[in-house]
Amino acid sequence: DGGITQSPKYLFRKEGQNVTLSCEQNLNHDAMYWYRQDPGQGLRLIYYSQIVNDFQKGDIAEGYSVSREKKESFPLTVTSAQKNPTAFYLCASSIEFGITYEQYFGPGTRLTVT
Amino acid sequence: AQSVTQLDSHVSVSEGTPVLLRCNYSSSYSPSLFWYVQHPNKGLQLLLKYTSAATLVKGINGFEAEFKKSETSFHLTKPSAHMSDAAEYFCVVRRMDSSYKLIFGSGTRLLVRP
Repeated sequence: DGGITQSPKYLFRKEGQNVTLSCEQNLNHDAMYWYRQDPGQGLRLIYYSQIVNDFQKGDIAEGYSVSREKKESFPLTVTSAQKNPTAFYLCASSIEFGITYEQYFGPGTRLTVT
Repeated sequence: AQSVTQLDSHVSVSEGTPVLLRCNYSSSYSPSLFWYVQHPNKGLQLLLKYTSAATLVKGINGFEAEFKKSETSFHLTKPSAHMSDAAEYFCVVRRMDSSYKLIFGSGTRLLVRP
């Protein structure tokens, strides 16, 4: 059963701690993405990766870091430098990076930092 | 620059009546447009996409959207609402530069009354 998995579904952290969100896909997709969603707003792009060992900053990359060591995995680290980390985080993937390829989304991780 | 505006933050309909969710876009080029649906605390699911083929696009679950260039609109419709349609709907345009980033509207929450 192909798809994108994100774990955990809910995550709680204390302020000042780094936290890593998992994203795994078995769709054999080259491109992967991380988005942040805040209440009443659309999604905003944090980072994206066109291919293994490559990634680019999105529109709101400050306070976040990523790695892409394997095609299937694109973990996101929320660092203590991120001023307002509480949000719903969504991972997505597409067959390739380009204009005609639609993105498929995982179920999301809700991060709460207190 | 590309952008989308979803004209209603909330839409309420009775079960069995038509659904209309409005979206206007701004784009210097022929755009790629999408509608995604998000059920509470879930990821996004692609409903339909327009990529310069037929102007009337049919999607999943009985939804369709019509691309009207003269009105710069891409409204989402369904002839008869079902209780399971209650969700948040996002209109999305793809940037036509080399980033191919998706730009999300702020969302329309659809409420379906029994």
